[in-house]
Amino acid sequence: QKEVEQNSGPLSVPEGAIASLNCTYSDRGSQSFFWYRQYSGKSPELIMFIYSNGDKEDGRFTAQLNKASQYVSLLIRDSQPSDSATYLCAVTDSGNTPLVFGKGTRLSVIA
Amino acid sequence: GAGVSQTPSNKVTEKGKYVELRCDPISGHTALYWYRQSLGQGPEFLIYFQGTGAADDSGLPNDRFFAVRPEGSVSTLKIQRTERGDSAVYLCASSRYIGSYNEQFFGPGTRLTVL
Repeated sequence: QKEVEQNSGPLSVPEGAIASLNCTYSDRGSQSFFWYRQYSGKSPELIMFIYSNGDKEDGRFTAQLNKASQYVSLLIRDSQPSDSATYLCAVTDSGNTPLVFGKGTRLSVIA
Repeated sequence: GAGVSQTPSNKVTEKGKYVELRCDPISGHTALYWYRQSLGQGPEFLIYFQGTGAADDSGLPNDRFFAVRPEGSVSTLKIQRTERGDSAVYLCASSRYIGSYNEQFFGPGTRLTVL
Protein backbone atom coordinates (compact mmCIF):
# COMPACT_ATOMS: atom_id res chain seq x y z
CA GLN A 1 0.00 0.00 0.00
CA LYS A 2 1.55 3.25 -1.15
CA GLU A 3 1.19 5.98 1.45
CA VAL A 4 1.80 9.69 1.57
CA GLU A 5 1.90 11.35 4.96
CA GLN A 6 1.31 14.99 5.75
CA ASN A 7 0.70 16.84 8.98
CA SER A 8 -2.93 17.89 8.83
CA GLY A 9 -2.28 21.20 10.60
CA PRO A 10 -3.50 23.80 10.81
CA LEU A 11 -0.18 25.48 10.24
CA SER A 12 -0.46 29.15 11.17
CA VAL A 13 2.12 31.67 9.99
CA PRO A 14 2.11 35.47 10.07
CA GLU A 15 1.87 37.40 6.84
CA GLY A 16 5.29 37.82 5.24
CA ALA A 17 6.80 34.76 6.91
CA ILE A 18 8.00 31.55 5.29
CA ALA A 19 5.56 28.65 5.41
CA SER A 20 7.13 25.19 5.36
CA LEU A 21 4.99 22.21 4.37
CA ASN A 22 6.31 18.68 4.60
CA CYS A 23 5.46 15.31 3.11
CA THR A 24 6.87 11.80 3.36
CA TYR A 25 6.09 8.88 1.10
CA SER A 26 6.42 5.13 1.48
CA ASP A 27 7.15 3.91 -2.06
CA ARG A 28 10.86 4.20 -2.78
CA GLY A 29 10.07 3.76 -6.47
CA SER A 30 8.18 7.05 -6.65
CA GLN A 31 9.53 9.28 -9.38
CA SER A 32 7.29 12.34 -9.66
CA PHE A 33 6.16 14.66 -6.90
CA PHE A 34 3.47 17.29 -6.97
CA TRP A 35 2.06 20.01 -4.76
CA TYR A 36 -1.55 21.04 -5.20
CA ARG A 37 -3.33 23.92 -3.51
CA GLN A 38 -6.99 23.46 -2.66
CA TYR A 39 -9.20 26.28 -1.48
CA SER A 40 -12.26 25.35 0.52
CA GLY A 41 -15.00 24.08 -1.77
CA LYS A 42 -12.73 24.10 -4.82
CA SER A 43 -10.76 21.45 -6.70
CA PRO A 44 -6.99 20.94 -6.41
CA GLU A 45 -4.81 23.33 -8.40
CA LEU A 46 -1.30 22.24 -9.44
CA ILE A 47 1.29 24.70 -8.17
CA MET A 48 4.60 22.83 -8.26
CA PHE A 49 6.12 19.60 -9.47
CA ILE A 50 9.59 18.17 -8.99
CA TYR A 51 11.30 15.09 -10.37
CA SER A 52 14.95 15.40 -9.33
CA ASN A 53 16.66 15.62 -5.97
CA GLY A 54 17.29 19.15 -4.83
CA ASP A 55 15.39 22.39 -5.00
CA LYS A 56 13.10 23.83 -7.63
CA GLU A 57 11.99 27.44 -7.39
CA ASP A 58 9.01 29.12 -9.01
CA GLY A 59 8.25 32.61 -7.81
CA ARG A 60 7.52 32.53 -4.09
CA PHE A 61 7.36 28.72 -4.09
CA THR A 62 10.26 26.30 -3.65
CA ALA A 63 9.85 22.54 -3.79
CA GLN A 64 12.53 20.39 -2.20
CA LEU A 65 13.03 16.68 -2.85
CA ASN A 66 15.20 14.18 -1.01
CA LYS A 67 14.62 10.72 -2.45
CA ALA A 68 17.03 9.04 -0.03
CA SER A 69 14.92 10.25 2.89
CA GLN A 70 11.66 9.88 0.93
CA TYR A 71 10.81 13.43 1.80
CA VAL A 72 9.42 16.33 -0.18
CA SER A 73 8.64 19.81 1.04
CA LEU A 74 7.14 23.07 -0.15
CA LEU A 75 8.33 26.46 1.03
CA ILE A 76 6.20 29.53 0.51
CA ARG A 77 8.12 32.78 0.94
CA ASP A 78 6.47 36.08 1.85
CA SER A 79 3.25 34.28 2.77
CA GLN A 80 0.04 36.13 2.01
CA PRO A 81 -3.46 35.66 3.44
CA SER A 82 -4.47 34.48 -0.05
CA ASP A 83 -2.12 31.51 0.43
CA SER A 84 -4.45 30.21 3.15
CA ALA A 85 -5.64 26.86 1.79
CA THR A 86 -5.05 23.13 2.08
CA TYR A 87 -1.86 21.94 0.40
CA LEU A 88 -1.91 18.42 -0.98
CA CYS A 89 1.22 16.42 -1.65
CA ALA A 90 0.95 13.77 -4.37
CA VAL A 91 3.39 11.21 -5.73
CA THR A 92 3.45 8.78 -8.60
CA ASP A 93 5.67 6.26 -10.34
CA SER A 94 7.16 7.08 -13.69
CA GLY A 95 4.77 7.34 -16.58
CA ASN A 96 1.11 8.17 -16.36
CA THR A 97 0.22 6.14 -13.30
CA PRO A 98 -2.33 7.65 -10.93
CA LEU A 99 -1.40 10.07 -8.19
CA VAL A 100 -1.34 8.99 -4.55
CA PHE A 101 -2.31 11.90 -2.34
CA GLY A 102 -1.71 12.77 1.26
CA LYS A 103 -4.58 14.12 3.34
CA GLY A 104 -3.27 17.66 3.01
CA THR A 105 -1.98 20.32 5.35
CA ARG A 106 -4.19 23.28 6.13
CA LEU A 107 -2.25 26.54 6.04
CA SER A 108 -3.53 29.71 7.64
CA VAL A 109 -1.68 32.98 6.96
CA ILE A 110 -2.57 35.57 9.55
CA ALA A 111 -2.64 39.23 8.47
CA GLY B 1 -7.33 27.71 -22.99
CA ALA B 2 -10.24 25.76 -21.61
CA GLY B 3 -9.59 23.58 -18.62
CA VAL B 4 -11.18 20.33 -17.57
CA SER B 5 -14.94 20.63 -17.28
CA GLN B 6 -17.32 18.44 -15.30
CA THR B 7 -21.08 18.22 -15.24
CA PRO B 8 -23.20 18.43 -13.25
CA SER B 9 -21.51 20.50 -10.56
CA ASN B 10 -23.92 19.10 -7.98
CA LYS B 11 -26.03 15.99 -8.01
CA VAL B 12 -28.51 14.96 -5.34
CA THR B 13 -30.03 11.55 -5.69
CA GLU B 14 -31.84 8.96 -3.64
CA LYS B 15 -30.37 5.73 -2.42
CA GLY B 16 -30.69 3.04 -5.03
CA LYS B 17 -30.79 5.38 -8.03
CA TYR B 18 -28.42 5.44 -11.00
CA VAL B 19 -26.21 8.45 -11.74
CA GLU B 20 -23.87 9.53 -14.50
CA LEU B 21 -21.09 12.06 -14.07
CA ARG B 22 -19.42 13.59 -17.10
CA CYS B 23 -15.88 14.83 -17.66
CA ASP B 24 -14.54 16.77 -20.64
CA PRO B 25 -10.73 16.87 -20.53
CA ILE B 26 -8.35 19.50 -21.80
CA SER B 27 -8.11 19.26 -25.57
CA GLY B 28 -5.23 17.05 -26.63
CA HIS B 29 -4.84 15.35 -23.27
CA THR B 30 -4.66 11.62 -23.82
CA ALA B 31 -4.83 10.47 -20.21
CA LEU B 32 -7.96 10.96 -18.11
CA TYR B 33 -8.34 10.14 -14.41
CA TRP B 34 -11.24 9.87 -12.01
CA TYR B 35 -10.70 10.46 -8.29
CA ARG B 36 -13.06 10.69 -5.35
CA GLN B 37 -12.55 13.05 -2.43
CA SER B 38 -14.29 12.84 0.92
CA LEU B 39 -14.24 15.62 3.49
CA GLY B 40 -10.85 16.00 5.14
CA GLN B 41 -9.19 13.49 2.82
CA GLY B 42 -7.00 13.74 -0.22
CA PRO B 43 -8.37 12.58 -3.56
CA GLU B 44 -8.46 8.80 -3.98
CA PHE B 45 -7.88 7.19 -7.34
CA LEU B 46 -10.75 5.35 -9.04
CA ILE B 47 -9.85 4.68 -12.67
CA TYR B 48 -7.76 6.06 -15.49
CA PHE B 49 -7.89 5.95 -19.27
CA GLN B 50 -5.14 6.18 -21.79
CA GLY B 51 -7.07 6.91 -24.97
CA THR B 52 -10.28 4.91 -25.09
CA GLY B 53 -9.27 2.02 -22.88
CA ALA B 54 -9.24 1.79 -19.12
CA ALA B 55 -5.56 1.36 -18.30
CA ASP B 56 -6.13 0.86 -14.58
CA ASP B 57 -9.47 0.43 -12.81
CA SER B 58 -8.07 -0.92 -9.57
CA GLY B 59 -9.47 1.96 -7.55
CA LEU B 60 -13.12 1.32 -8.34
CA PRO B 61 -14.65 0.29 -5.00
CA ASN B 62 -17.03 -2.34 -6.39
CA ASP B 63 -18.93 -3.37 -9.50
CA ARG B 64 -21.56 -0.67 -9.04
CA PHE B 65 -19.00 1.75 -10.47
CA PHE B 66 -18.15 1.83 -14.15
CA ALA B 67 -16.59 4.37 -16.48
CA VAL B 68 -16.28 4.75 -20.22
CA ARG B 69 -14.42 6.95 -22.66
CA PRO B 70 -15.68 5.73 -26.04
CA GLU B 71 -14.00 8.26 -28.31
CA GLY B 72 -10.92 9.00 -26.28
CA SER B 73 -12.12 12.39 -25.12
CA VAL B 74 -15.21 12.79 -22.91
CA SER B 75 -15.60 10.27 -20.11
CA THR B 76 -18.64 9.24 -18.10
CA LEU B 77 -18.50 7.72 -14.63
CA LYS B 78 -21.57 5.61 -13.92
CA ILE B 79 -22.75 4.55 -10.50
CA GLN B 80 -25.55 2.02 -10.14
CA ARG B 81 -27.70 1.46 -7.05
CA THR B 82 -26.18 4.42 -5.26
CA GLU B 83 -25.52 4.18 -1.53
CA ARG B 84 -25.16 6.91 1.07
CA GLY B 85 -21.45 6.05 1.33
CA ASP B 86 -21.00 7.09 -2.30
CA SER B 87 -21.53 10.72 -1.29
CA ALA B 88 -18.33 12.61 -2.09
CA VAL B 89 -16.81 15.01 -4.59
CA TYR B 90 -15.90 13.20 -7.79
CA LEU B 91 -12.93 14.79 -9.48
CA CYS B 92 -11.70 14.32 -13.01
CA ALA B 93 -8.16 15.14 -14.13
CA SER B 94 -6.41 15.01 -17.46
CA SER B 95 -2.79 14.82 -18.49
CA ARG B 96 -0.90 15.39 -21.72
CA TYR B 97 1.19 12.32 -21.07
CA ILE B 98 3.09 11.36 -24.20
CA GLY B 99 6.27 9.81 -22.85
CA SER B 100 6.66 12.77 -20.53
CA TYR B 101 6.09 13.26 -16.86
CA ASN B 102 2.58 13.30 -15.64
CA GLU B 103 1.21 16.68 -14.64
CA GLN B 104 -2.49 16.26 -13.98
CA PHE B 105 -4.98 19.10 -14.11
CA PHE B 106 -8.25 18.82 -12.26
CA GLY B 107 -11.76 19.86 -13.15
CA PRO B 108 -14.07 21.60 -10.69
CA GLY B 109 -15.61 18.34 -9.52
CA THR B 110 -19.12 16.98 -9.11
CA ARG B 111 -20.48 16.94 -5.59
CA LEU B 112 -22.64 13.84 -5.27
CA THR B 113 -25.08 13.58 -2.39
CA VAL B 114 -26.98 10.35 -1.88
CA LEU B 115 -29.97 10.75 0.44
